[in-house]
Amino acid sequence: AQKITQTQPGMFVQEKEAVTLDCTYDTSDQSYGLFWYKQPSSGEMIFLIYQGSYDEQNATEGRYSLNFQKARKSANLVISASQLGDSAMYFCAMREGGRGGNTPLVFGKGTRLSVIA
Amino acid sequence: NAGVTQTPKFQVLKTGQSMTLQCAQDMNHNSMYWYRQDPGMGLRLIYYSASEGTTDKGEVPNGYNVSRLNKREFSLRLESAAPSQTSVYFCASSDWGGQGRGAYEQYFGPGTRLTVT
Repeated sequence: AQKITQTQPGMFVQEKEAVTLDCTYDTSDQSYGLFWYKQPSSGEMIFLIYQGSYDEQNATEGRYSLNFQKARKSANLVISASQLGDSAMYFCAMREGGRGGNTPLVFGKGTRLSVIA
Repeated sequence: NAGVTQTPKFQVLKTGQSMTLQCAQDMNHNSMYWYRQDPGMGLRLIYYSASEGTTDKGEVPNGYNVSRLNKREFSLRLESAAPSQTSVYFCASSDWGGQGRGAYEQYFGPGTRLTVT
């Protein structure tokens, strides 16, 4: 079974609009972390936002927020006020076990976001 | 700080040739990882090293070997390259403990684009 599922292969959004990228996860661990990375056409992996399983508040980083619904095992990324530079591939990922950062990430297959002027 | 560096950036090999991908980090991280990225597949873990002196297999280790040379360096070797190993290879590092993003973030190198003909 897939541990990270991103059901939207591609999304379009109008500039200045908000967009939600979906991510569901599967784990039996009580302690885990959820990540979103952005990969522009240049290819580098850019960290966007992190949510720990014990964090009570949804994570926010500037225009990015993570809508964390633990009971539904979903960790959707919300980008507000989309910009042309947001056009990229977006990956959801999970780290299982422990609170430290020394375990590998499991990635979803990604969602390609295109922002239209 | 250079962060995570990878060499080479691009490489073309013929089937059966061998090569080593180099990775180094200057953040004094304990853990290092090798992922591969294929179209439509997201990133998949090849091998990782939770700490100096240890290595473990990931999801797709066949055809690869790794060496954790010291705390800074983690190399990936293809002994006999196959066309199925055509991919983009990412090295990453992380640490455990501490506060803030450094306690969990995985930092990625720029990637190596490998083509096997």
